[in-house]
Amino acid sequence: NAGVTQTPKFQVLKTGQSMTLQCAQDMNHNSMYWYRQDPGMGLRLIYYSASEGTTDKGEVPNGYNVSRLNKREFSLRLESAAPSQTSVYFCASSRLAGGPGTDTQYFGPGTRLTVL
Amino acid sequence: GENVEQHPSTLSVQEGDSAVIKCTYSDSASNYFPWYKQELGKGPQLIIDIRSNVGEKKDQRIAVTLNKTAKHFSLHITETQPEDSAVYFCAASNSLRGGNQFYFGTGTSLTVIP
Repeated sequence: NAGVTQTPKFQVLKTGQSMTLQCAQDMNHNSMYWYRQDPGMGLRLIYYSASEGTTDKGEVPNGYNVSRLNKREFSLRLESAAPSQTSVYFCASSRLAGGPGTDTQYFGPGTRLTVL
Repeated sequence: GENVEQHPSTLSVQEGDSAVIKCTYSDSASNYFPWYKQELGKGPQLIIDIRSNVGEKKDQRIAVTLNKTAKHFSLHITETQPEDSAVYFCAASNSLRGGNQFYFGTGTSLTVIP
């Protein structure tokens, strides 16, 4: 069991470029999440998918889009990257459907993104 | 929305001493309070959690207490060891409210001095 995997581990973008962060889990979990972590601000929820086929906004969704491709995979897309999106991005999953708070969340190792 | 405050931001203790980290929350409807440990270069890992129908929960050297009236909860680590050094995050959530938001504190960097 690999748990939650994320690709890439590191990425540097120029302002205005687009990219997709990939996340996959092999635990047959129903809910998946994307967070960003900035110094001194903890983790903030960007989007989540409470079950396959659904997505919902979190605390800081502006500038991002997500796709729940299937039960295993949940991707995060930056259409036009901005320096304010420089951050460490974490994907997470939890066993039960229903989104945050319903069950333990398991985190991936993170993607460090720098936007110049 | 919910506002979770965490204190202190940094904490140093001698090996074998206890460490206490405190969090307060603003939304009285919050009912799920997990604690995460994050080691350098890794994602957060759940170490203990508590729901609002319980006042205290223990797991070996780790305990969490919840005071719903005062809207605060605390993490207690006893007999600290160097491997406890990490950043600890509290979080609060209302699993019953539509929207299911999840809010983290800003983290406490714990250093255990051998």
